[in-house]
Amino acid sequence: DAKTTQPPSMDCAEGRAANLPCNHSTISGNEYVYWYRQIHSQGPQYIIHGLKNNETNEMASLIITEDRKSSTLILPHATLRDTAVYYCIVRVSNFGNEKLTFGTGTRLTIIP
Amino acid sequence: KAGVTQTPRYLIKTRGQQVTLSCSPISGHRSVSWYQQTPGQGLQFLFEYFSETQRNKGNFPGRFSGRQFSNSRSEMNVSTLELGDSALYLCASSLVLAVFTGELFFGEGSRLTVL
Repeated sequence: DAKTTQPPSMDCAEGRAANLPCNHSTISGNEYVYWYRQIHSQGPQYIIHGLKNNETNEMASLIITEDRKSSTLILPHATLRDTAVYYCIVRVSNFGNEKLTFGTGTRLTIIP
Repeated sequence: KAGVTQTPRYLIKTRGQQVTLSCSPISGHRSVSWYQQTPGQGLQFLFEYFSETQRNKGNFPGRFSGRQFSNSRSEMNVSTLELGDSALYLCASSLVLAVFTGELFFGEGSRLTVL
């Protein structure tokens, strides 16, 4: 019952900006968009989240469209260590059973 | 400060057995969520505990259960193991309920193999 759609895989050259898209066309007005990444054999790592304004932290930037139906995670200067599966998730609210549901994510490969 | 600790890291069981996995959250965190990760299904939410009470539950059969203790440590149990239960079980902790913070801290996981 994931509410997000992401491309299954992407490549990006080392040193370039990696732009990872996510579609969440059914998002509700009060639902946040969260991004996580999972490096092989490790637990997922929180990156950033936002509601409707663009957000930036030391790891990445999050751009959310004005209609909130899609967003883009930007890794400004990708390194080999950014190779991972990236998950875009939104809160799923079902009769009060609210949870964070992960989809299948985007496998990002940074090319040397 | 110490991160989320899961034990055991690896275990092998046979069909029909039961297993208990343990998760120690980050100090001060009161919420513990459990996820199952398999190659075919990805990360699937099992349940979330906060202040010793199950607050949210995923779509898993009753064979999957959990509990949380007063020190916020959590255990999950899977009874009558099936081959399809082979997976990486991940625990995540957060200060408050996950949906109110968005920031979960995951452990390294317990990899269960059912033969």
